[in-house]
Amino acid sequence: SQELEQSPQSLIVQEGKNLTINCTSSKTLYGLYWYKQKYGEGLIFLMMLQKGGEEKSHEKITAKLDEKKQQSSLHITASQPSHAGIYLCGAGSENAGGTSYGKLTFGQGTILTVHP
Amino acid sequence: DTGVSQDPRHKITKRGQNVTFRCDPISEHNRLYWYRQTLGQGPEFLTYFQNEAQLEKSRLLSDRFSAERPKGSFSTLEIQRTEQGDSAMYLCASSLMGEVSTDTQYFGPGTRLTVL
Repeated sequence: SQELEQSPQSLIVQEGKNLTINCTSSKTLYGLYWYKQKYGEGLIFLMMLQKGGEEKSHEKITAKLDEKKQQSSLHITASQPSHAGIYLCGAGSENAGGTSYGKLTFGQGTILTVHP
Repeated sequence: DTGVSQDPRHKITKRGQNVTFRCDPISEHNRLYWYRQTLGQGPEFLTYFQNEAQLEKSRLLSDRFSAERPKGSFSTLEIQRTEQGDSAMYLCASSLMGEVSTDTQYFGPGTRLTVL
């Protein structure tokens, strides 16, 4: 079965600093999803990556999938207190024509704290 | 367009009681997923439906758990004879599975179950 390992497990930064969260898979990723979760709430979809070398950005958050499709990173530029939360990476389980479908396997999450 | 909704948001019950949770997906989404999340962990897959058909169940889903999605709309998750180990956040997600869609899952706010 596929396993995802996230690092670091927790991160404390000062507002304005840049940070990176990593997600490493035991198997080739056919689809990698990044979500954000506030404590005690549901998951908010951020971005989805499918192709090796793919990079997507939304506001100050950039996600990348490496060429071998076994590692992804999430980079936040000039962090703000609103970025605080738990970041989760999830991998799709099915592969149809190179596209990920089906149930997601998640990493354990990275807890981000941003001090004003 | 409303998001995924779940009811109740919180449930406290005594060991041995039965509980039922409801999930209303985003309208027109044909897939509906259930996950369970315990403190400090990522969500774990339980089961999912495409329209009214239950396509997959996790080995985590014991005989005490049953899920339905009548008419392919809302879904219910029932836990019979609850145990303290069932205490967790139960998350529902929906997605649109199609030729041009990516099966991106959108999550509800979750139902937090506490078994005393």
